[in-house]
Amino acid sequence: EAQVTQNPRYLITVTGKKLTVTCSQNMNHEYMSWYRQDPGLGLRQIYYSMNVEVTDKGDVPEGYKVSRKEKRNFPLILESPSPNQTSLYFCASTPKGTIYNEQFFGPGTRLTVL
Amino acid sequence: AQSVTQLDSHVSVSEGTPVLLRCNYSSSYSPSLFWYVQHPNKGLQLLLKYTSAATLVKGINGFEAEFKKSETSFHLTKPSAHMSDAAEYFCVVSDNSNSGYALNFGKGTSLLVTP
Repeated sequence: EAQVTQNPRYLITVTGKKLTVTCSQNMNHEYMSWYRQDPGLGLRQIYYSMNVEVTDKGDVPEGYKVSRKEKRNFPLILESPSPNQTSLYFCASTPKGTIYNEQFFGPGTRLTVL
Repeated sequence: AQSVTQLDSHVSVSEGTPVLLRCNYSSSYSPSLFWYVQHPNKGLQLLLKYTSAATLVKGINGFEAEFKKSETSFHLTKPSAHMSDAAEYFCVVSDNSNSGYALNFGKGTSLLVTP
């Protein structure tokens, strides 16, 4: 089944404790991105990657890191989480091509930073 | 620069009555436009998308949207609401800007369907 998977789905952590949220897609998509969803704000892009070893900042990149060593994986790293990073996070992927391509979303990771 | 404005943060309709969720957009390029739906505690699902082939776009579950360039609008409609339509709806614009295929989301409209 074609899908985007994220792990963990739920995470509660404390301020300053490094964490990684994994994202993997099995559709051979070139483009991947991370979004965070906050009430009343919709989804905002954190980072995106056009292909392996190519990443760039989105609208809200502060406090986050990403890497793209393999085409299928795009982990989101919080080196020193803070309470304002409590949010619902979505990974998405889409094939290289046109802007009309649907983006496929993972199921989301709900992160709470105490 | 691209942006999306969803004109209503909450919409309440009775089951069986029409649904109208309003969306205006701005884009410096020829955009693509999407509507995504998010049911409670679920991920995002594509309802429909505008790709410049036709201005009236039909999606899943009886939803459709009409692209009106003169009004820069892409409103979502459904003739008859069902209880299962209760969800959060996002209007989304994408253009071929320097940020690649980034999606710019509206803030969402929460649809409530009452019996």
